[in-house]
Amino acid sequence: ETGVTQSPTHLIKTRGQQVTLRCSSQSGHNTVSWYQQALGQGPQFIFQYYREEENGRGNFPPRFSGLQFPNYSSELNVNALELDDSALYLCASSQQVRGSGNTIYFGEGSWLTVV
Amino acid sequence: QKEVEQNSGPLSVPEGAIASLNCTYSDRGSQSFFWYRQYSGKSPELIMFIYSNGDKEDGRFTAQLNKASQYVSLLIRDSQPSDSATYLCAVNTPRGNQFYFGTGTSLTVIP
Repeated sequence: ETGVTQSPTHLIKTRGQQVTLRCSSQSGHNTVSWYQQALGQGPQFIFQYYREEENGRGNFPPRFSGLQFPNYSSELNVNALELDDSALYLCASSQQVRGSGNTIYFGEGSWLTVV
Repeated sequence: QKEVEQNSGPLSVPEGAIASLNCTYSDRGSQSFFWYRQYSGKSPELIMFIYSNGDKEDGRFTAQLNKASQYVSLLIRDSQPSDSATYLCAVNTPRGNQFYFGTGTSLTVIP
């Protein structure tokens, strides 16, 4: 148990729809990162939020967007879903000061299937 | 060139043997290195991290880091069937805000 909770755990969406995934970070952690893990691949960094601001973004299109709230929880939004968006979406929290690295702890993930 | 490379395996070892998992990385500025274990259908869980050259031991697990060779390894002693999983090597960017993961090495421990 990492104390990082995600919802929903599983969902099925139709191509072109929009989805919102939610994450509550571990108590005391101020940073949330989102990763996409396709089948047979390692997690790929989408973006990170630190103190409600985006603190880095991976190679994902603008239709992937996010938010972090004052309680450090976070949302990942994906618009105009494509079949290739089918993956496990992982939220990871950490206690981080900007500019320094720290250990990340994953939630159980949200399995998204786009049909 | 990928930022982090691992042999995807599968790697099979008999119960009680030592399993050796290897990883190389491309960014010489990387400072933090992590090993995660991922059971099928589950999310990755942290096994251990290492920052300094040399060995770091935690129970049956030993992480080894050689920054000059840009090489990280994980040794699992007295391997158990419950160690059967995919092992992910991860490297933190020098800025500290992004982890690069390898594709993982699948390990099977045969009873």
